[in-house]
Amino acid sequence: EADIYQTPRYLVIGTGKKITLECSQTMGHDKMYWYQQDPGMELHLIHYSYGVNSTEKGDLSSESTVSRIRTEHFPLTLESARPSHTSQYLCASRAGGPHNEQFFGPGTRLTVL
Amino acid sequence: AQSVTQPDIHITVSEGASLELRCNYSYGATPYLFWYVQSPGQGLQLLLKYFSGDTLVQGIKGFEAEFKRSQSSFNLRKPSVHWSDAAEYFCAVGEGSARQLTFGSGTQLTVLP
Repeated sequence: EADIYQTPRYLVIGTGKKITLECSQTMGHDKMYWYQQDPGMELHLIHYSYGVNSTEKGDLSSESTVSRIRTEHFPLTLESARPSHTSQYLCASRAGGPHNEQFFGPGTRLTVL
Repeated sequence: AQSVTQPDIHITVSEGASLELRCNYSYGATPYLFWYVQSPGQGLQLLLKYFSGDTLVQGIKGFEAEFKRSQSSFNLRKPSVHWSDAAEYFCAVGEGSARQLTFGSGTQLTVLP
C-alpha cells in the first residue's frame, strides 16, 4: 500500500538537543515538502525538494535543515532545539506533472521544553 | 506573492444543514486550487482540486467547490452536513515548478446534533 510515514508522531525534548524528524513515502514521488503548523494556524512551507540531491528553502524561514539522499526519504534536522521550535511538522509528497496533488503524512508534534 | 483568505475562522452548523466555506485567493495567472480537510491530530486529506475546465468540481465525501474567476473565489459546499464532517478545512493555491502550496488560515467546522 502506497503511503507517507512520519516518525515520531510525538516528541518532547529538552532545549539544546539535536533532533531528526523522519519522513518516508512509498509512492515513488519526486517532489517532497515540509510544512510547519502552529496550533490552530495555517501551514507554512519551510523546505521542499524536486528530487534526489535537491533541497530548497520555503517561504517561512526555519533553522532546520533537510537532506534528500534517496527518493523515498526526506528527513528534517534541528541541530539545537529551542522552545520556539515547538510546533507540528507535516511532510508531503507529490508526483511529477502540474496537476497532481500533495499527499500528507500524519505529522510530528514537537514540544521543546 | 500569492495569498489565500478564509474569512470564517469558525462555523457551526446543525447536522443535515447545508454548508458553504469561503475561500478567496490572490494570484496573477490561472490558479491551481485545492481544498484539504484536517481532523484532530491527523495530516491533511484532499477533498478536491481545480486546474481548468468545468468550474464546478466534485470531490470526496459529497463536497463540491465552484471556481469563480471574477470573484477570485473557490468556495466549498456540501448540501447536507454529517457529524463526521467536523474538522478543520484549508483552502490552498499551488504555485511554482514544484507546485508549492500556500494555505489559508483554515475554517474550523463544528456540527451540532
